[in-house]
This record gives sequence, structure tokens and C-alpha cells, in this order.
Amino acid sequence: EPEVTQTPSHQVTQMGQEVILRCVPISNHLYFYWYRQILGQKVEFLVSFYNNEISEKSEIFDDQFSVERPDGSNFTLKIRSTKLEDSAMYFCASSEQANSPLHFGNGTRLTVT
Amino acid sequence: EDQVTQSPEALRLQEGESSSLNCSYTVSGLRGLFWYRQDPGKGPEFLFTLYSAGEEKEKERLKATLTKKESFLHITAPKPEDSATYLCAVRNFGNEKLTFGTGTRLTIIP
Repeated sequence: EPEVTQTPSHQVTQMGQEVILRCVPISNHLYFYWYRQILGQKVEFLVSFYNNEISEKSEIFDDQFSVERPDGSNFTLKIRSTKLEDSAMYFCASSEQANSPLHFGNGTRLTVT
Repeated sequence: EDQVTQSPEALRLQEGESSSLNCSYTVSGLRGLFWYRQDPGKGPEFLFTLYSAGEEKEKERLKATLTKKESFLHITAPKPEDSATYLCAVRNFGNEKLTFGTGTRLTIIP
């Protein structure tokens, strides 16, 4: 069964550094998402992406965050200057249509020291 | 603002002991309610989508139902491999985002 893949599985970075989290969505899906889950808390929406542009974003997704689909298969989340509070599990997801179920990857655990 | 409340927070059952998990929601216009299963250190795994009150979906030992205010995930004769956190999420008309609840951590004891 097709799946969403994310790399790396774990990323450790120092405060103020830039990180790029990578995702390969399911190949025939058109909608792409990033969510995050701080340890012990809810899964929270960050951003959705369709037709090569951001279609919706949350208050969390400020100027420090950006997303890109650099080619036909990859979808990336960049955090320009990481903060301690950015430490979380970041999940990429994709869906076939606008109201189809989201399929999630297994996440990248980001630790900011 | 969309809100999702799940109860109980945690549930321990003996193998074979059936039970139900609750998801109460507040949303101005429900576009879809989604159930996911999450194992430790993994991403949410899709189980069901429900779109309108009265709808029911089944998969193996799981059955999801929907009313205008809440959804239930019924687990019949559970096995230890059903142990996981079960997440409920809603999507509103006019939004693409899913709003998640905090989940119910289910433990099935052999």
C-alpha cells in the first residue's frame, strides 16, 4: 500500500539554526499538509498546500516557517531560525481530494537544544 | 472555533471486553469526522471517515457511529493488538485543516 515517507526520522539542531524536514507524499495525491505534535499534546495543523501554493495556514505558521514542493515528488518544511519551543514531532500528510482522508507519515522528531 | 473532546483519556480493558470511546465535537458546519489510530512514535493511521449524522462504518472489531454532536468508536471483543491511542478529528466547511482531540489511550490486557 502506498505510504507517505519522511526524512530524517530524528533531527537534533541548535537554537537559531535552520532545518529542513522532507516528505514524499503518496504519488497521486494533490493536497499536502504539515502537522506537529508536541510531546503529550494534540496533533496541531500547521499548513496545507495545493496547486503549488499555500491554501491554509495556522497562527503557528509564522514567517519562520516555509513550505516548498521543489519537484514532482518532494514536499519540504523549512524552519529558518529554530527555537526551543519548536521541539516536536512533525508529521507530513497527503490526501487525494479536498475532503478525502489524510494519510500521515511516521514523522520527524525535531529536538532543538 | 472548532472543538473536539475525547473521553475517556485512558481505558484499560481485558481481552474480549467490549467498550466504546467517545468524541464530542463543536463545529459550525461538519464537513467530515475522522478516526485515526496512533501507535507510539508513529503517525496517525486512518481508520474511518463519517460525513453525516446516522452514518456508520465498520472495520474488523471497530465500528464508528455519528450523531450531530458526537461520534462513538465501538470496539467489540478487542485483542492486545488493538492497544493504541485513538484520535478523533473534524473538518469544517470552508477549512482544509483537521482539528484533533487529545485522544483515548486504549490498553487491552491479555
